[in-house]
Amino acid sequence: KNEVEQSPQNLTAQEGEFITINCSYSVGISALHWLQQHPGGGIVSLFMLSSGKKKHGRLIATINIQEKHSSLHITASHPRDSAVYICAVRGISNFGNEKLTFGTGTRLTIIP
Amino acid sequence: DSGVTQTPKHLITATGQRVTLRCSPRSGDLSVYWYQQSLDQGLQFLIQYYNGEERAKGNILERFSAQQFPDLHSELNLSSLELGDSALYFCASGRRLNEQFFGPGTRLTVL
Repeated sequence: KNEVEQSPQNLTAQEGEFITINCSYSVGISALHWLQQHPGGGIVSLFMLSSGKKKHGRLIATINIQEKHSSLHITASHPRDSAVYICAVRGISNFGNEKLTFGTGTRLTIIP
Repeated sequence: DSGVTQTPKHLITATGQRVTLRCSPRSGDLSVYWYQQSLDQGLQFLIQYYNGEERAKGNILERFSAQQFPDLHSELNLSSLELGDSALYFCASGRRLNEQFFGPGTRLTVL
């Protein structure tokens, strides 16, 4: 079993729909990242969370430390949101370094 | 544009060869990270440098080595290349804890 599991693996939705991508992890963490990888390959860091909730534009990320679970939500989805979304965690044991362990990603396709 | 540059963008080489990938971090960033993304393994952390010193090591093969120079740019050296080394190699840099800005990547194809 991977330390970081994402669901769903693939998601296709109509423009305007509310999107939720889930990430579960099995180790204690000090931080969780959500990354976006565009079809061309470039990676952008969307959020870094250690507790609670963060919002940036139409994107919202939440984390529940007790349940070892995080969600990424996209409101009013748009075709330009089509990308692979990757969850990554930094373990508590990695104090002083920033080794990240990655999920396998969720491929999101938004249809106009 | 993250401000992190990587060269070359594409690299095609043969098995058994050696290549060097280069990363220039954002101005002022002391940390550099290297990642490998292959089709079967996904994204994997290879190694982290902080101000010239190795800070953390991940799933980096013995055939691979890296260093960070006094001007903070970093190089990842891959030797005795195998078909399975074909992948996207990303560099990221950051200034604060948990901050990572990714470069555009180098696509390595080993034939």
